[in-house]
Amino acid sequence: NAGVTQTPKFQVLKTGQSMTLQCAQDMNHNSMYWYRQDPGMGLRRIHYSVAAGITDKGEVPNGYNVSRLNKREFSLRLESAAPSQTSVYFCASSYYGYGSAEAFFGQGTRLTVV
Amino acid sequence: GENVEQHPSTLSVQEGDSAVIKCTYSDSASNYFPWYKQELGKRPQLIIDIRSNVGEKKDQRIAVTLNKTAKHFSLHITETQPEDSAVYFCAASTGSARQLTFGSGTQLTVLP
Repeated sequence: NAGVTQTPKFQVLKTGQSMTLQCAQDMNHNSMYWYRQDPGMGLRRIHYSVAAGITDKGEVPNGYNVSRLNKREFSLRLESAAPSQTSVYFCASSYYGYGSAEAFFGQGTRLTVV
Repeated sequence: GENVEQHPSTLSVQEGDSAVIKCTYSDSASNYFPWYKQELGKRPQLIIDIRSNVGEKKDQRIAVTLNKTAKHFSLHITETQPEDSAVYFCAASTGSARQLTFGSGTQLTVLP
């Protein structure tokens, strides 16, 4: 069991470039999330998905798009990267609904936009 | 929406002493309060959680207390060890992980 796997681990982009962060989980979880982590601001949810084909906005969705094509994979796309998107990005997954609320995180992607 | 405030932002303790991290939340409907530990360069991992029908929960050297009336909850670590050095995040939810709102984090340093 690999848990939650995200790629790449590190990325440097120039302003205006695009990229997609990939995430996959093998725990048969219904829900998946993308967070960004910035110093002094904790973990903020960007987008989330409760099932394949269903996505919704989190706290800080602007500048990001997501895609959940199947139960295992949830990708995050930056169409035109900006320096304000320099951050550490975490993918996470959990069971849907009440009673099982633990979120399992991937190892993170450190993104720098110059 | 939910707002979670966490204090202090940094905490240094001597090895063997206790550490306490406090969080307050704003949404009275929140009923699930997990704590995550994130070691340097690693992913956050759940270390303990508590639901609103319980006032206190312990797991070896760590404990969490909840005061629903005051809308605050705390993490207590006793007999701290160097491996406890990490960033700790509190969070609150109305029950599901998709609604987790995290605090800003506490950098705990245990001094040998």
